[in-house]
Amino acid sequence: AQSVTQLDSHVSVSEGTPVLLRCNYSSSYSPSLFWYVQHPNKGLQLLLKYTSAATLVKGINGFEAEFKKSETSFHLTKPSAHMSDAAEYFCVLVGSARQLTFGSGTQLTVLP
Amino acid sequence: SQTIHQWPATLVQPVGSPLSLECTVEGTSNPNLYWYRQAAGRGLQLLFYSVGIGQISSEVPQNLSASRPQDRQFILSSKKLLLSDSGFYLCAWSVLSGGIRDTQYFGPGTRLTVL
Repeated sequence: AQSVTQLDSHVSVSEGTPVLLRCNYSSSYSPSLFWYVQHPNKGLQLLLKYTSAATLVKGINGFEAEFKKSETSFHLTKPSAHMSDAAEYFCVLVGSARQLTFGSGTQLTVLP
Repeated sequence: SQTIHQWPATLVQPVGSPLSLECTVEGTSNPNLYWYRQAAGRGLQLLFYSVGIGQISSEVPQNLSASRPQDRQFILSSKKLLLSDSGFYLCAWSVLSGGIRDTQYFGPGTRLTVL
């Protein structure tokens, strides 16, 4: 069985400060992991993905994530938050038959 | 480039009425297609996926059905809506390949409210 746990349901940061959204996973094989972002009433947009190449993955809009096998983690970071980053973020594990296992989501609030 | 369309964007339907949501993909051939539902305050639940025309796999027993009449068209339907069918419905596609690590790309979604 595989699972994804997003450790924080809500994260609040001030504009210009770093962002850290935490994700832990459980998988019986070498995983592929994605981060998606969803703005209100919008579809999901792919931020970045890890597929067993480099462990540090750079994505769009200045986000990056580091795959740490020893910690079974794939945390999403950004050095400086922008107001437009306010959204819900999903950590996703790719399973068999091309099916995705979604985390429960982290709502990011950016304060002025 | 590939694009994915969903319509309608929003829909309000009474309990017991039928439903038809459409999803189309442009710019690719023979994609995998997916229907997800996102209920308020919850994650995404995979409802159906399709690897080809007429090939539909259902993930959970429910009041909904799916069809794929054309290569790049995926339809979600119901004969009689329930209150519990309310939610945000997302269609997604991925490139059919031999691997299992295909990236899925999502449409803009349909907000369904059943009253």
